[in-house]
Amino acid sequence: DTAVSQTPKYLVTQMGNDKSIKCEQNLGHDTMYWYKQDSKKFLKIMFSYNNKELIINETVPNRFSPKSPDKAHLNLHINSLELGDSAVYFCASSQGMTGKNGYTFGSGTRLTVV
Amino acid sequence: GENVEQHPSTLSVQEGDSAVIKCTYSDSASNYFPWYKQELGKRPQLIIDIRSNVGEKKDQRIAVTLNKTAKHFSLHITETQPEDSAVYFCAASLYGSARQLTFGSGTQLTVLP
Repeated sequence: DTAVSQTPKYLVTQMGNDKSIKCEQNLGHDTMYWYKQDSKKFLKIMFSYNNKELIINETVPNRFSPKSPDKAHLNLHINSLELGDSAVYFCASSQGMTGKNGYTFGSGTRLTVV
Repeated sequence: GENVEQHPSTLSVQEGDSAVIKCTYSDSASNYFPWYKQELGKRPQLIIDIRSNVGEKKDQRIAVTLNKTAKHFSLHITETQPEDSAVYFCAASLYGSARQLTFGSGTQLTVLP
């Protein structure tokens, strides 16, 4: 069973479109995250969601909005996509913010905006 | 907030040689330091971690060392193999707190056959 699954794996879309990425974890973790990894491989935190509290990275444009229907799901919706949004987006989960056994990452969604 | 710096950004070694990646952190309160390995096209995965109550931890060919006074920690890989080629990330946080991990910028390790 996949611990953290995200869909889709690849997403190619035109500028200006709205898209969503879904993430689900079956580890019983109480905290979930979205990371953006650009071409230089830097892992940039976008959001973390712990016990219904959303923590937003101030540098994330408000075109990005996370939605968590429950502790096992954290989806990412992106409005008015721009070329600079092209990156790999990773969902992750942990037990507690620091993670008793570290963070478990999903397999990533490669978003390409054309 | 915490700031983690990682060096070098790229590292090439011959198969069988050792590789060392170093990280420094800014917040002296940080006490949890995990390392993640990301193979090409794959997800980052936890490979080893260390807490500040110990100075060194080993797991087969990999080891982490921690110098709390100098606020730096290192990943050591001995007898490197081609499958060790990957991007390695260090991270730091305060275990048990509400503060999330702060990641370093990553090191691309290439093991040459």
